[in-house]
Amino acid sequence: NAGVTQTPKFQVLKTGQSMTLQCAQDMNHNSMYWYRQDPGMGLRLIYYSASEGTTDKGEVPNGYNVSRLNKREFSLRLESAAPSQTSVYFCASSEGLFEGYYGYTFGSGTRLTVV
Amino acid sequence: GQQLNQSPQSMFIQEGEDVSMNCTSSSIFNTWLWYKQDPGEGPVLLIALYKAGELTSNGRLTAQFGITRKDSFLNISASIPSDVGIYFCAGRGIQGAQKLVFGQGTRLTINP
Repeated sequence: NAGVTQTPKFQVLKTGQSMTLQCAQDMNHNSMYWYRQDPGMGLRLIYYSASEGTTDKGEVPNGYNVSRLNKREFSLRLESAAPSQTSVYFCASSEGLFEGYYGYTFGSGTRLTVV
Repeated sequence: GQQLNQSPQSMFIQEGEDVSMNCTSSSIFNTWLWYKQDPGEGPVLLIALYKAGELTSNGRLTAQFGITRKDSFLNISASIPSDVGIYFCAGRGIQGAQKLVFGQGTRLTINP
């Protein structure tokens, strides 16, 4: 099925550990995004990539890094996980940057717990 | 930056009831989108609105783009158990490369 695929779906990390969240889309979209979702705070933009080869910070980039590996893949890395990074992470993609006409297509999320 | 205020934050209703929720912004938007997030899944686009005053339906869902361009409403008629989830509004401003801004979400719970 066409869409956005995220791996893993669940992860538990110890404080200080590192990990990479993977995201791939097969819709030939140019732009990709990483959001975190916390109770009562909606979706907050961490990083985004307008097109292959470019990345930019969103609202809450501290503690994260990203790589736009190719047009399909956009990964999010936590170098030294902290309990404050416990959240549900969503990857999304769109045809154009900040596409308002058709909106974004979201993955099913990665639920991360840092203990 | 731009912010969206979505209300109510949560709703507890009986099956068959109608539901209304809304989003307001301090600035003018040129697009309003409504998403639904099922438990354990990512948000899925329900309705998109592009013109002030526009009223659009998708089955039992109806959404409106406010005349002032600073608000939007989503109504669900005759709710059913599968309507349970979190509903998000999202909007895009009119100047430059404005990011899509999301509301905090309305969590809908339905008692059978």
